[in-house]
Amino acid sequence: NAGVTQTPKFRILKIGQSMTLQCAQDMNHNYMYWYRQDPGMGLKLIYYSVGAGITDKGEVPNGYNVSRSTTEDFPLRLELAAPSQTSVYFCATGTTSGNTEAFFGQGTRLTVV
Amino acid sequence: DQQVKQNSPSLSVQEGRISILNCDYTNSMFDYFLWYKKYPAEGPTFLISISSIKDKNEDGRFTVFLNKSAKHLSLHIVPSQPGDSAVYFCAASAKGGATNKLIFGTGTLLAVQP
Repeated sequence: NAGVTQTPKFRILKIGQSMTLQCAQDMNHNYMYWYRQDPGMGLKLIYYSVGAGITDKGEVPNGYNVSRSTTEDFPLRLELAAPSQTSVYFCATGTTSGNTEAFFGQGTRLTVV
Repeated sequence: DQQVKQNSPSLSVQEGRISILNCDYTNSMFDYFLWYKKYPAEGPTFLISISSIKDKNEDGRFTVFLNKSAKHLSLHIVPSQPGDSAVYFCAASAKGGATNKLIFGTGTLLAVQP
């Protein structure tokens, strides 16, 4: 039982490049989330999904896209990477039973140069 | 517009003493509050939570207190141990959208000195 797995762990991108951050879970949770954490800041919600085929914007969605074709996977796509997207990205899952904690992956540290 | 605020970026405590971490919120729709602990290079891990229908929840050395009228919650760690040294995030969610979205504070770095 791996929980929430994020790949890659580290990545350096050049300005204007694109990439996909992968997130996979084996917890059978319907809810999945992408957060970013900037230095000295809390976690900001980028996008979330309440189930396969359903996604919605969080607090800071600009510059990102997501898809949710299966319960297990929730990739985050960066198009035209910018230095402002340098951050640590966390994927998380949650259940539908309301008022429960979210379970986080180990994070992906992304640097855009 | 910071809906969840942790005004102390850092806290240093002696081993064996009490650690008190504070959190304030502005959104009166929040009805569920959580504390997460985060070590460097790891994802946040859930520590303890409290529903708005309660004013206290205890789990071993960790107790969370909620003061709804003041929109304030605190995490008490007694006794503090060196392994408790980490960043602690307060988070909150609101009913209604059924999305369980968590809004996080900026974190407090706790250092427990041996």
